[in-house]
Amino acid sequence: EIVLTQSPGTLSLSPGERATLSCRASQSVSSSYLAWYQQKPGQAPRLLIYGASSRATGIPDRFSGSGSGTDFTLTISRLEPEDFAVYYCQQYGSSPPIFTFGPGTKVDIK
Amino acid sequence: QVQLQESGPGLVKPSQTLSLTCTVSGGSISSGSYYWSWIRQPAGKGLEWIGRIYTSGSTNYNPSLKSRVTISVDTSKNQFSLKLSSVTAADTAVYYCARVAYEEYYYDSSDYYYYYMDVWGKGTTVTVSS
Repeated sequence: EIVLTQSPGTLSLSPGERATLSCRASQSVSSSYLAWYQQKPGQAPRLLIYGASSRATGIPDRFSGSGSGTDFTLTISRLEPEDFAVYYCQQYGSSPPIFTFGPGTKVDIK
Repeated sequence: QVQLQESGPGLVKPSQTLSLTCTVSGGSISSGSYYWSWIRQPAGKGLEWIGRIYTSGSTNYNPSLKSRVTISVDTSKNQFSLKLSSVTAADTAVYYCARVAYEEYYYDSSDYYYYYMDVWGKGTTVTVSS
């Protein structure tokens, strides 16, 4: 079973700054199976990125995803006040067919 | 626009069976290339995938929960359901239902699939306590 590790655990930044979040897999992951979600307190997760780099419908272009193999990155180019939240990466493993989430990175206001 | 809504008891006694239903509105549960999934989140913790079902009834479960989980679908009611047996306090969590999209694409003469959870319910809190 593939294990996802996210770093840092917490990222303290100011609005307008750039956020770089890392997701590392214990073994190679197909890029098409890697997604990123945003979760705010008391809310369900929201899909941001799928296929490692494709933005979901309605997601602002300040969010971008990249990476391949075992290392993936979510970048928020300029943090807006509404971007302070927890971010999870997720991978789909086809054999066996299961979904795994990373432990999350909290982006909070410095 | 498809929406999902979880429903079920908010309190379950230890050793009993947790039962939740997810109602799909704004579209047919049988249309399109989708699986239907359950995910849970203990308070202050991360997300744990429980399992998924296709409208044919085909299921896949998280190996860590497989012996206790059953997911079923009722296409006539546009619903899918979760049963988790022999619950303990460790099963206390917010339970989410979600739509899993699988999207085919072609690259370099080969076909591939994206998998992602694009629609989520708001979640329902289930507490296991006597």
